Order: sequence, then C-alpha cells, then structure tokens
Amino acid sequence: QKEVEQNSGPLSVPEGAIASLNCTYSDRVSQSFFWYRQYSGKSPELIMSIYSNGDKEDGRFTAQLNKASQYVSLLIRDSQPSDSATYLCAVRDNQGGKLIFGQGTELSVKP
Amino acid sequence: DVKVTQSSRYLVKRTGEKVFLECVQDMDHENMFWYRQDPGLGLRLIYFSYDVKMKEKGDIPEGYSVSREKKERFSLILESASTNQTSMYLCASSLHGQGQETQYFGPGTRLLVL
Repeated sequence: QKEVEQNSGPLSVPEGAIASLNCTYSDRVSQSFFWYRQYSGKSPELIMSIYSNGDKEDGRFTAQLNKASQYVSLLIRDSQPSDSATYLCAVRDNQGGKLIFGQGTELSVKP
Repeated sequence: DVKVTQSSRYLVKRTGEKVFLECVQDMDHENMFWYRQDPGLGLRLIYFSYDVKMKEKGDIPEGYSVSREKKERFSLILESASTNQTSMYLCASSLHGQGQETQYFGPGTRLLVL
C-alpha cells in the first residue's frame, strides 16, 4: 500500500514566522509532488508542484524535495492569519496517474 | 482558468434513494476523479476515468457507480443511498500527460443521507 504521511497538527505559528510543513512518501519511484491548501468547508486548491530535487520558490512559498530521503516539505515565509488552513501533500502514483493524498496538516497562524 | 463545477453544493436525501452527483469541467481534460472526504480519513478516491466511456475503481468503489458519456462530464451515482455515505464529495480533473498532471477540484457537494 503506497502511503503519504503528514503530521495532522494543528501546527500553530505566530504571524510573521516561518511555517514548515512536512510530508514523507513510501514509493521511492514517485516523480511528481503537489501541495494543496484547503480552507474549512472549501475544496483543495493547488499551491505548488515540484518534480526535481531541491527547492522551488513561488512568492512566500517554497517547496523542497529530497527523493533520496523520500521527503517533501512546504515552507511558508512571513505567515499570515489568512494562511490558516489544512495543507495536503499529494504524490502521483506512477501506476495509473492517480494522486495519493496525505491526511493533511492543519496550520493556525496567530495574529 | 480551469473551471470544475458540481451540480449541487448541498444535498439532502433519504436512505434508499438513488442519488446523482454531476461534475463538469471546461478545460478539455481527459482525466476526471471522484473523491469523498471525511474528518480523520482524508481524501479517498472512489472512481476515476481517463477517457469517455472509461472508468476505473478507486480505493472505495463499493456502493457507487459512475458514468462518463461525454468528455466534460463525469457523474457519480449512489445506487441506494445509505447513512454512511453522508460526506463531502469532491470532483477533480486533470490533463493526461507524462506525470505532471495537476488535479483541479470542484467546489464540492456536501451530501446528507437521512
């Protein structure tokens, strides 16, 4: 069973701090990784995708991928209360193209 | 902008009713997916489709069926609704590519079965 693991949280950070969200996956041949944000009662929306080892930056968001350690993370710099949401890590299943989702990490940014 | 729409935001049905949930995407995506999301269980894949008239079972297909008669439309059918099918149902679509397909989600349908 291919798995994607995240700490469920809640992760609480003060406004302006860096929030660090982590995800590990079991299938070492996985190639495509995604971070989604989901506000309460809403559907998931894509924040970042990453396919190569290293860092990928988009505004206040940085995704980090380490395939050797089977680890992907999302850093949110200068966290804002509007960043408070559940963050879902997803890994593409190479057999068929489905996404395997983690349980999500709830982030709370305190003013 | 990709747009995925779902026929209802909220739905209340009785046990034993046949329920249809409709999903339409306007970006000519080949792939379409149906998930349900429950507290503590995360997103679980019910069925997916890579092409018209095609369907594949996901992780929890029991009690559900699907229909894809047109590329843009993917329907989820609850043959005989039960209370344990009360959930948030999410539809998603993506291009069929070489491993970099992003899934785009609809707004969700919150179904209550009484």
